[in-house]
Amino acid sequence: AQKITQTQPGMFVQEKEAVTLDCTYDTSDQSYGLFWYKQPSSGEMIFLIYQGSYDEQNATEGRYSLNFQKARKSANLVISASQLGDSAMYFCAMREPRPGGGNKLTFGTGTQLKVEL
Amino acid sequence: EAGVAQSPRYKIIEKRQSVAFWCNPISGHATLYWYQQILGQGPKLLIQFQNNGVVDDSQLPKDRFSAERLKGVDSTLKIQPAKLEDSAVYLCASSLEDWSYGYTFGSGTRLTVV
Repeated sequence: AQKITQTQPGMFVQEKEAVTLDCTYDTSDQSYGLFWYKQPSSGEMIFLIYQGSYDEQNATEGRYSLNFQKARKSANLVISASQLGDSAMYFCAMREPRPGGGNKLTFGTGTQLKVEL
Repeated sequence: EAGVAQSPRYKIIEKRQSVAFWCNPISGHATLYWYQQILGQGPKLLIQFQNNGVVDDSQLPKDRFSAERLKGVDSTLKIQPAKLEDSAVYLCASSLEDWSYGYTFGSGTRLTVV
């Protein structure tokens, strides 16, 4: 089974509108974390937001918020007031503990977001 | 603080040649990762170091790929001999023990094997 599933290969949104990028995950661990990264065409991976499995409140960072629904194992990214510069590939990733210590970060397949005028 | 440095930025080689990539993580970051990102896919972990020890290399094709982390700081990833399917972006990342700050990635090395 896929650890991280992003079902939207591509999304379009109009400038200034909000958009939700979907992410579901699969883990049997109680302690884990969910990340969202942005990858523009230049190729760098930019950390956007993090949600720990024990965090009771949804994480927010500026225009980014993470809609964390633990029972449904979903961690959707919401971008408010979209800007042209938000056009990029977005990856959801999950951190899981390793049996021998340390952590492992697994990525989804990504969603290509295009912001239009 | 300086970010994760990677070089070269781009590399084109012929199949069966060898190539090496270099990564300098953020100072103080004990954990270093090498990821392979094939076009249109998410990054796939190749190898993970904790200081200068290997934590996970289960997805590293060890018949052709090798990696080392010198003195727990810089790291090199080598491919010998390269195959066409090795064409990808190779991303290096590093992290603190407190991963809530995220993993910091370098700009990557785009490898094209012809």
